[in-house]
Amino acid sequence: AQSVTQLGSHVSVSEGALVLLRCNYSSSVPPYLFWYVQYPNQGLQLLLKYTSAATLVKGINGFEAEFKKSETSFHLTKPSAHMSDAAEYFCAVNSGGSNYKLTFGKGTLLTVNP
Amino acid sequence: KAGVTQTPRYLIKTRGQQVTLSCSPISGHRSVSWYQQTPGQGLQFLFEYFSETQRNKGNFPGRFSGRQFSNSRSEMNVSTLELGDSALYLCASSLVPGPQETQYFGPGTRLLVL
Repeated sequence: AQSVTQLGSHVSVSEGALVLLRCNYSSSVPPYLFWYVQYPNQGLQLLLKYTSAATLVKGINGFEAEFKKSETSFHLTKPSAHMSDAAEYFCAVNSGGSNYKLTFGKGTLLTVNP
Repeated sequence: KAGVTQTPRYLIKTRGQQVTLSCSPISGHRSVSWYQQTPGQGLQFLFEYFSETQRNKGNFPGRFSGRQFSNSRSEMNVSTLELGDSALYLCASSLVPGPQETQYFGPGTRLLVL
């Protein structure tokens, strides 16, 4: 079975500060990992994904994430927050197998203060 | 290239009724997945279709069903609606099925059951 835990349902940062959104996964096999962002009244937009090619993955809008197998983590970071980053962020895992599916974490709402 | 489109965007139904939601994938994408998003349960996988065949199914009652047409467009149906079916229903498409494939999401259909 696979699962995702996002620590912190709500993270608040100041504009220009570091953004760190935490994601830990559970998977019995090497996983594929994704970060999505959802703006109000919109669907999900892919930020980045890990497919075992490189442990440090760079995505859109200045976001990146590092896959750490020993810690079963895939935290999302951005060096300097912008007001437009305010949204809900979802980490997701897909472990493959015959009945594969994308399993999402509960989400982290990011607030950016001026 | 146009993104995933879903119709209708908003829907109000009463308990006991049935509803059909429609999804048009990105041109060239042949796999379509459906998800339910609620504040309490988060994002949950409903089912995935490819080549007009259901490949995977989540843990939802039989009242939830779907189908895919030869042009890859998909519909999902919920019969005998319950209050708890109120949710945002998201459709996602990918080129082909597979755990490593990026799923591109539509804006969703927001269903309110009264």
